Amino acid sequence: DAEITQSPRHKITETGRQVTLACHQTWNHNNMFWYRQDLGHGLRLIHYSYGVHDTNKGEVSDGYSVSRSNTEDLPLTLESAASSQTSVYFCASSPAGEAYGYTFGSGTRLTVV
Amino acid sequence: AQSVSQHNHHVILSEAASLELGCNYSYGGTVNLFWYVQYPGQHLQLLLKYFSGDPLVKGIKGFEAEFIKSKFSFNLRKPSVQWSDTAEYFCAVNRKGYQKVTFGIGTKLQVIP
Repeated sequence: DAEITQSPRHKITETGRQVTLACHQTWNHNNMFWYRQDLGHGLRLIHYSYGVHDTNKGEVSDGYSVSRSNTEDLPLTLESAASSQTSVYFCASSPAGEAYGYTFGSGTRLTVV
Repeated sequence: AQSVSQHNHHVILSEAASLELGCNYSYGGTVNLFWYVQYPGQHLQLLLKYFSGDPLVKGIKGFEAEFIKSKFSFNLRKPSVQWSDTAEYFCAVNRKGYQKVTFGIGTKLQVIP
């Protein structure tokens, strides 16, 4: 069965370290998205991609970067982790087009100490 | 840019009570609308969606939502909730022709047996 997987499920890192969160989907979806979920803020878009080599900034992109070298993967990198980036991170994917809902991964809980 | 408002942040109901969760969006043009559900400790799942046609949309698990264009609303309803409906519910919107979706901050529903 097709799926979207995130790894790791939990991570604790120190302030200033570079961290990469993985997202891998086998749906063959063109679109991929990264969101962070925080109490009182709901889901906020970090970065998104509409296809290979396409990346775009979302509303809270500062301190994060992504790259899309193939259809399946959209890794999210925190260049220099900060305590404000402690959050739950969700990856999502969808087929090209506006008429589809998103398929979400199970999330990564990141703690920056 | 469009925005989504969910006015009820925390709702507590007894089993068998009826449910209505409010969702309003701010964009004046045509939109696509979604409701997602997140069960405790899990990822978001698509509950239902509206793109066109009948403004009353039926989704999984007995949920339905009604699009009222004049009120910019897309309220979620269920005639009789169960304990297993305890979850967080997110309303989301995208503009016609655009693939990026904006989420509301979510409503936590607690159903008491």
